[in-house]
Amino acid sequence: DARVTQTPRHKVTEMGQEVTMRCQPILGHNTVFWYRQTMMQGLELLAYFRNRAPLDDSGMPKDRFSAEMPDATLATLKIQPSEPRDSAVYFCASGLITLMGAGGPENIQYFGAGTRLSVL
Amino acid sequence: DQQVKQNSPSLSVQEGRISILNCDYTNSMFDYFLWYKKYPAEGPTFLISISSIKDKNEDGRFTVFLNKSAKHLSLHIVPSQPGDSAVYFCAASEGSSNTGKLIFGQGTTLQVKP
Repeated sequence: DARVTQTPRHKVTEMGQEVTMRCQPILGHNTVFWYRQTMMQGLELLAYFRNRAPLDDSGMPKDRFSAEMPDATLATLKIQPSEPRDSAVYFCASGLITLMGAGGPENIQYFGAGTRLSVL
Repeated sequence: DQQVKQNSPSLSVQEGRISILNCDYTNSMFDYFLWYKKYPAEGPTFLISISSIKDKNEDGRFTVFLNKSAKHLSLHIVPSQPGDSAVYFCAASEGSSNTGKLIFGQGTTLQVKP
Protein backbone atom coordinates (compact mmCIF):
# COMPACT_ATOMS: atom_id res chain seq x y z
CA ASP A 1 0.00 0.00 0.00
CA ALA A 2 2.00 2.94 -1.30
CA ARG A 3 1.56 6.13 0.66
CA VAL A 4 3.28 9.39 1.50
CA THR A 5 4.66 9.36 5.03
CA GLN A 6 5.13 12.51 7.06
CA THR A 7 6.88 12.90 10.40
CA PRO A 8 6.27 14.10 13.02
CA ARG A 9 2.47 14.09 13.01
CA HIS A 10 2.37 16.75 15.69
CA LYS A 11 4.95 19.28 16.82
CA VAL A 12 4.68 21.82 19.60
CA THR A 13 7.56 24.22 19.95
CA GLU A 14 8.41 27.62 21.30
CA MET A 15 8.90 30.72 19.24
CA GLY A 16 12.45 31.00 17.93
CA GLN A 17 13.11 27.27 17.82
CA GLU A 18 14.02 25.38 14.69
CA VAL A 19 11.43 23.00 13.27
CA THR A 20 12.13 20.26 10.74
CA MET A 21 9.35 18.34 9.01
CA ARG A 22 10.08 15.24 6.98
CA CYS A 23 8.35 13.54 4.08
CA GLN A 24 8.88 10.21 2.38
CA PRO A 25 7.23 10.34 -1.05
CA ILE A 26 5.75 7.35 -2.83
CA LEU A 27 8.48 5.28 -4.44
CA GLY A 28 8.79 6.11 -8.13
CA HIS A 29 7.11 9.51 -7.92
CA ASN A 30 9.22 12.25 -9.45
CA THR A 31 7.61 15.36 -7.97
CA VAL A 32 7.20 16.40 -4.34
CA PHE A 33 5.07 19.30 -3.13
CA TRP A 34 4.89 21.08 0.24
CA TYR A 35 1.62 22.76 1.23
CA ARG A 36 0.38 24.66 4.25
CA GLN A 37 -3.27 24.56 5.24
CA THR A 38 -4.74 27.66 6.80
CA MET A 39 -8.32 28.63 7.44
CA MET A 40 -8.19 31.66 5.18
CA GLN A 41 -6.08 30.42 2.29
CA GLY A 42 -6.98 26.77 2.17
CA LEU A 43 -4.07 24.78 0.76
CA GLU A 44 -1.16 27.07 -0.08
CA LEU A 45 1.69 25.71 -2.18
CA LEU A 46 5.01 26.47 -0.51
CA ALA A 47 7.54 24.69 -2.72
CA TYR A 48 7.98 21.75 -5.04
CA PHE A 49 10.69 19.56 -6.49
CA ARG A 50 11.02 17.59 -9.70
CA ASN A 51 13.56 14.76 -9.67
CA ARG A 52 14.91 16.30 -6.43
CA ALA A 53 15.59 19.68 -8.04
CA PRO A 54 13.68 22.68 -6.66
CA LEU A 55 11.27 24.04 -9.26
CA ASP A 56 9.52 26.77 -7.35
CA ASP A 57 9.69 27.96 -3.77
CA SER A 58 8.02 31.31 -4.29
CA GLY A 59 5.28 30.41 -1.82
CA MET A 60 7.70 30.24 1.09
CA PRO A 61 8.88 33.08 3.33
CA LYS A 62 12.51 33.00 2.21
CA ASP A 63 14.05 34.38 5.34
CA ARG A 64 12.93 31.57 7.61
CA PHE A 65 11.74 28.64 5.50
CA SER A 66 13.88 26.23 3.53
CA ALA A 67 13.03 23.06 1.63
CA GLU A 68 15.42 20.38 0.49
CA MET A 69 15.39 16.92 -1.00
CA PRO A 70 18.63 15.23 0.04
CA ASP A 71 17.66 12.01 -1.71
CA ALA A 72 14.75 10.49 -3.60
CA THR A 73 13.19 9.07 -0.44
CA LEU A 74 13.32 12.17 1.76
CA ALA A 75 12.09 15.73 1.50
CA THR A 76 12.47 18.21 4.36
CA LEU A 77 10.86 21.51 5.24
CA LYS A 78 12.65 23.57 7.84
CA ILE A 79 11.58 26.69 9.69
CA GLN A 80 14.23 28.69 11.53
CA PRO A 81 13.35 30.62 13.60
CA SER A 82 9.74 29.58 14.04
CA GLU A 83 7.03 32.13 14.84
CA PRO A 84 3.48 31.74 16.20
CA ARG A 85 2.05 32.68 12.77
CA ASP A 86 3.68 29.54 11.35
CA SER A 87 1.20 27.42 13.31
CA ALA A 88 -0.69 25.38 10.72
CA VAL A 89 -0.92 21.92 9.21
CA TYR A 90 1.83 21.22 6.71
CA PHE A 91 1.23 18.64 4.00
CA CYS A 92 3.58 16.88 1.69
CA ALA A 93 2.30 15.39 -1.55
CA SER A 94 3.95 13.43 -4.32
CA GLY A 95 3.04 12.58 -7.89
CA LEU A 96 4.37 11.06 -11.07
CA ILE A 97 4.20 14.15 -13.24
CA THR A 98 4.83 13.48 -16.90
CA LEU A 99 5.68 16.22 -19.35
CA MET A 100 2.42 16.06 -21.28
CA GLY A 101 0.97 19.09 -23.00
CA ALA A 102 -2.53 18.66 -21.65
CA GLY A 103 -3.59 18.10 -18.09
CA GLY A 104 -4.60 14.61 -17.21
CA PRO A 105 -4.37 11.85 -14.62
CA GLU A 106 -0.66 12.54 -14.29
CA ASN A 107 -1.62 15.65 -12.35
CA ILE A 108 -3.00 13.66 -9.43
CA GLN A 109 -1.09 14.31 -6.24
CA TYR A 110 -1.08 11.96 -3.27
CA PHE A 111 -0.96 13.55 0.14
CA GLY A 112 0.54 12.54 3.44
CA ALA A 113 -1.41 12.86 6.68
CA GLY A 114 0.28 16.15 7.53
CA THR A 115 2.30 17.64 10.38
CA ARG A 116 0.31 19.81 12.77
CA LEU A 117 2.67 22.53 14.00
CA SER A 118 1.96 24.70 17.01
CA VAL A 119 4.42 27.49 17.78
CA LEU A 120 3.84 28.99 21.22
CA ASP B 1 -5.14 36.75 -5.98
CA GLN B 2 -7.27 33.65 -5.48
CA GLN B 3 -7.40 31.89 -8.85
CA VAL B 4 -9.65 29.11 -7.53
CA LYS B 5 -12.51 30.03 -5.23
CA GLN B 6 -14.98 28.04 -3.24
CA ASN B 7 -17.37 30.66 -1.99
CA SER B 8 -19.35 28.47 0.36
CA PRO B 9 -17.32 27.60 3.47
CA SER B 10 -19.90 25.05 4.57
CA LEU B 11 -22.90 23.05 3.38
CA SER B 12 -25.35 20.90 5.29
CA VAL B 13 -27.65 18.36 3.63
CA GLN B 14 -29.89 15.51 4.70
CA GLU B 15 -28.84 11.94 4.09
CA GLY B 16 -30.16 10.68 0.77
CA ARG B 17 -30.42 14.15 -0.77
CA ILE B 18 -28.13 15.70 -3.35
CA SER B 19 -25.05 17.67 -2.28
CA ILE B 20 -23.80 20.30 -4.71
CA LEU B 21 -20.42 21.87 -4.11
CA ASN B 22 -19.34 24.76 -6.28
CA CYS B 23 -16.03 26.13 -7.47
CA ASP B 24 -15.09 29.12 -9.63
CA TYR B 25 -11.80 29.88 -11.33
CA THR B 26 -10.33 32.88 -13.07
CA ASN B 27 -7.47 31.51 -15.16
CA SER B 28 -8.69 30.50 -18.63
CA MET B 29 -5.49 28.49 -19.11
CA PHE B 30 -6.58 25.89 -16.56
CA ASP B 31 -7.36 22.68 -18.41
CA TYR B 32 -7.66 20.02 -15.74
CA PHE B 33 -9.73 20.12 -12.59
CA LEU B 34 -9.80 17.88 -9.57
CA TRP B 35 -11.78 17.40 -6.40
CA TYR B 36 -10.17 16.18 -3.20
CA LYS B 37 -11.86 15.05 -0.02
CA LYS B 38 -10.31 15.54 3.40
CA TYR B 39 -11.28 13.95 6.69
CA PRO B 40 -10.04 15.39 10.02
CA ALA B 41 -6.46 14.45 10.89
CA GLU B 42 -5.89 13.00 7.42
CA GLY B 43 -4.43 14.33 4.20
CA PRO B 44 -6.61 15.18 1.20
CA THR B 45 -7.44 12.24 -1.04
CA PHE B 46 -8.22 12.40 -4.73
CA LEU B 47 -11.91 11.99 -5.51
CA ILE B 48 -12.68 12.77 -9.14
CA SER B 49 -11.34 14.88 -11.98
CA ILE B 50 -12.33 16.35 -15.32
CA SER B 51 -10.44 17.53 -18.37
CA SER B 52 -11.40 20.76 -20.07
CA ILE B 53 -12.35 18.83 -23.20
CA LYS B 54 -15.31 17.37 -21.31
CA ASP B 55 -18.25 18.93 -19.54
CA LYS B 56 -19.16 16.02 -17.32
CA ASN B 57 -17.46 13.13 -15.59
CA GLU B 58 -19.24 10.57 -13.46
CA ASP B 59 -17.94 8.03 -10.97
CA GLY B 60 -20.58 6.24 -8.98
CA ARG B 61 -22.38 8.70 -6.74
CA PHE B 62 -20.02 11.52 -7.72
CA THR B 63 -20.38 13.68 -10.82
CA VAL B 64 -18.34 16.71 -11.74
CA PHE B 65 -19.70 19.28 -14.18
CA LEU B 66 -17.58 21.84 -15.96
CA ASN B 67 -18.88 25.05 -17.51
CA LYS B 68 -15.89 26.61 -19.27
CA SER B 69 -17.68 29.71 -20.45
CA ALA B 70 -18.66 30.52 -16.87
CA LYS B 71 -15.35 29.26 -15.46
CA HIS B 72 -17.34 27.20 -13.02
CA LEU B 73 -17.35 23.61 -11.89
CA SER B 74 -19.50 21.72 -9.48
CA LEU B 75 -19.42 18.40 -7.68
CA HIS B 76 -22.69 16.54 -7.24
CA ILE B 77 -23.03 13.75 -4.71
CA VAL B 78 -26.18 11.65 -5.07
CA PRO B 79 -27.34 10.24 -2.76
CA SER B 80 -25.40 11.87 0.05
CA GLN B 81 -24.30 9.65 2.91
CA PRO B 82 -23.08 10.53 6.43
CA GLY B 83 -19.65 9.15 5.48
CA ASP B 84 -19.40 11.91 2.85
CA SER B 85 -19.08 14.48 5.65
CA ALA B 86 -15.65 16.01 5.04
CA VAL B 87 -13.91 19.06 3.63
CA TYR B 88 -13.93 19.14 -0.17
CA PHE B 89 -11.23 20.98 -2.08
CA CYS B 90 -11.45 21.99 -5.69
CA ALA B 91 -8.13 22.24 -7.58
CA ALA B 92 -7.04 23.30 -11.05
CA SER B 93 -3.95 22.89 -13.17
CA GLU B 94 -2.54 24.37 -16.32
CA GLY B 95 -1.33 21.38 -18.30
CA SER B 96 0.67 23.40 -20.79
CA SER B 97 2.94 24.61 -18.01
CA ASN B 98 4.19 21.02 -17.52
CA THR B 99 4.68 21.63 -13.82
CA GLY B 100 1.96 19.45 -12.36
CA LYS B 101 1.24 22.32 -10.02
CA LEU B 102 -2.29 22.43 -8.57
CA ILE B 103 -4.03 25.55 -7.37
CA PHE B 104 -6.49 24.77 -4.59
CA GLY B 105 -9.59 26.54 -3.37
CA GLN B 106 -10.23 27.25 0.29
CA GLY B 107 -12.42 24.19 0.78
CA THR B 108 -16.08 23.56 1.61
CA THR B 109 -17.06 21.62 4.71
CA LEU B 110 -19.92 19.24 3.92
CA GLN B 111 -22.06 17.85 6.69
CA VAL B 112 -24.50 15.10 5.82
CA LYS B 113 -27.08 14.62 8.55
CA PRO B 114 -28.58 11.15 9.16
